[in-house]
Amino acid sequence: DAEITQSPRHKITETGRQVTLACHQTWNHNNMFWYRQDLGHGLRLIHYSYGVHDTNKGEVSDGYSVSRSNTEDLPLTLESAASSQTSVYFCASSEWWVGTDTQYFGPGTRLTVL
Amino acid sequence: GQQLNQSPQSMFIQEGEDVSMNCTSSSIFNTWLWYKQDPGEGPVLLIALYKAGELTSNGRLTAQFGITRKDSFLNISASIPSDVGIYFCAGQLGQGGKLIFGQGTELSVKP
Repeated sequence: DAEITQSPRHKITETGRQVTLACHQTWNHNNMFWYRQDLGHGLRLIHYSYGVHDTNKGEVSDGYSVSRSNTEDLPLTLESAASSQTSVYFCASSEWWVGTDTQYFGPGTRLTVL
Repeated sequence: GQQLNQSPQSMFIQEGEDVSMNCTSSSIFNTWLWYKQDPGEGPVLLIALYKAGELTSNGRLTAQFGITRKDSFLNISASIPSDVGIYFCAGQLGQGGKLIFGQGTELSVKP
């Protein structure tokens, strides 16, 4: 069955380190998204991509970057991790057709920055 | 940034009761989605609404796309313990996939 996976599921790192979170989907969806989830804020969009080599900034993109070298993967990089980036991160994918445009989420990565 | 107002923030109900939650926005949306999130998991899509006035059911769940395109509600009938979780509404401004999420409604069901 097609699916979307994230790794690692849990990560502890130190302030200032570079961290990369992986997202892989097997639906062959063109659209991929990264969100962070914090108490009281729901899900907030970090970056998104509409296809290979396409990347766009979301609502809370500062301190994060993404690259899209193939359809299946959209890794999220924290260039220099900060304690404010402690959060749960979700990847999602979707494919737009007229009348059907829904996003499917991965299981999440819990990141702690000490 | 753009926000959706979702209410209530939390609900504590008895098994068998009906539940209603809603989302409102100052902007018009083309699509409304309702997700459920279980602890430690990603959100799972429950219902998708694509037309103003649309009323859609999925088992005990019913959702409606408001005719003004600025609101949506979700009803759960005859709640059961496995309904426990956080429910999110999400609106889509245009084609292309970007979603705006509500803050979530945390549902607790007492057996």
